[in-house]
Amino acid sequence: GAVVSQHPSWVICKSGTSVKIECRSLDFQATTMFWYRQFPKQSLMLMATSNEGSKATYEQGVEKDKFLINHASLTLSTLTVTSAHPEDSSFYICSARDPHRGPMNTEAFFGQGTRLTVV
Amino acid sequence: AQTVTQSQPEMSVQEAETVTLSCTYDTSESDYYLFWYKQPPSRQMILVIRQEAYKQQNATENRFSVNFQKAAKSFSLKISDSQLGDAAMYFCAYRRGDKIIFGKGTRLHILP
Repeated sequence: GAVVSQHPSWVICKSGTSVKIECRSLDFQATTMFWYRQFPKQSLMLMATSNEGSKATYEQGVEKDKFLINHASLTLSTLTVTSAHPEDSSFYICSARDPHRGPMNTEAFFGQGTRLTVV
Repeated sequence: AQTVTQSQPEMSVQEAETVTLSCTYDTSESDYYLFWYKQPPSRQMILVIRQEAYKQQNATENRFSVNFQKAAKSFSLKISDSQLGDAAMYFCAYRRGDKIIFGKGTRLHILP
């Protein structure tokens, strides 16, 4: 099946610094990618929709200046957590849909996630 | 707004037995998709089964099947012949357009 790769799988950073997470679609082109945040033992909360060549669409309550999303190519979207604080510590997951696969273009493929710890 | 509700935070089942995970959703749309995703300890999201809302026939994938009741907005997952590898978090999800909305999940324990 289609593969979405996320890097790094875990990262520890100091408070006040920025950290970048990459999401790549390895064998298909994704015009749209999605970024989720998952707190421990909780569900995935959609943060934003990343659109290739245009600005991301953020969900209500998500700070666009804190969570910078760039989708510069059809296979890469990045999420940068700026001026990170301990409360930003979480598990971040990206997903993408392959417009040319799957019945009725329904399936989304997920990266393996990134565990961010801010100390 | 669409919402997805999973009322069972945790469930346990004996190995080789059958278990049903519940899910209800709220939508005013008639055309949408429903999914069950599995998240094992590795935290990789794995698609278990999908259902198109326009299809009346319940989806089946090997030991996994759903009971889709569109009028009742219910979408339960039945796992037959439970195996130790089925232990995971299970998320019910709704999709219309590009966005996928997830329920809070049900943690499934398999008892040997």
